[in-house]
Amino acid sequence: EVQLVESGGGLVQPGRSLRLSCAASGFTFEDYAMHWVRQGPGKGLESVAGISWNSGNLGYAESVKGRFTISRDNAKNSLYLQMNDVRPEDTALYYCAKDRGLGFGGMDVWGQGTTVIVSS
Amino acid sequence: DIQMTQSPSSLSASVGDRVTITCRASRNVDSYVNWYQKKAGEAPKLLVYTASTLQSGVPSRFRGSGSGTDFTLTISGLQPEDVATYYCQQIYTSPPLTFGGGTNVDIK
Repeated sequence: EVQLVESGGGLVQPGRSLRLSCAASGFTFEDYAMHWVRQGPGKGLESVAGISWNSGNLGYAESVKGRFTISRDNAKNSLYLQMNDVRPEDTALYYCAKDRGLGFGGMDVWGQGTTVIVSS
Repeated sequence: DIQMTQSPSSLSASVGDRVTITCRASRNVDSYVNWYQKKAGEAPKLLVYTASTLQSGVPSRFRGSGSGTDFTLTISGLQPEDVATYYCQQIYTSPPLTFGGGTNVDIK
């Protein structure tokens, strides 16, 4: 069974850092691009960052560029999101999602999400 | 970034009705648009990719169409289990793969 399990969310103060992780199983992780998508309270879906199968192509939403870093470890079947200098507007449910292919074709498998709350 | 604009933002229809949701891209994205369904408390679900290809397991009452800048998701025969928010997404560029603002669909 294809599965994505996020972890690392929690309550964090503005300006601090947090690292989200996503453990993948049930598919050949290194064959697919991966994504982080978030949904803030009462808001729509926002594509936060994406990374190609070999980490050679990355992209970020303008709202997080320079603060967040997406990375992956194909040997550990894991995806990460390093969140630095977090802001209250980063409060959201963060989903890890598998792409349909090597490049960027959209998300066909999603985790259940991990909640990040930024508050003092 | 390419902007995706959906309309309407919400709609209410009766069971069995035909429902149409539109999405407009800020510039040409060829056929590189996906559609997702998001139910409360659940992860999003991919319905349609590259404008008109139905994802495996998705009921045939869902249909996507369009190209260039204008796209449509049609539900032919709305069912109670279709109550959800629907999002379009462009996959024309590298990330971020921007989403539309969403369309809330409920039953009258």
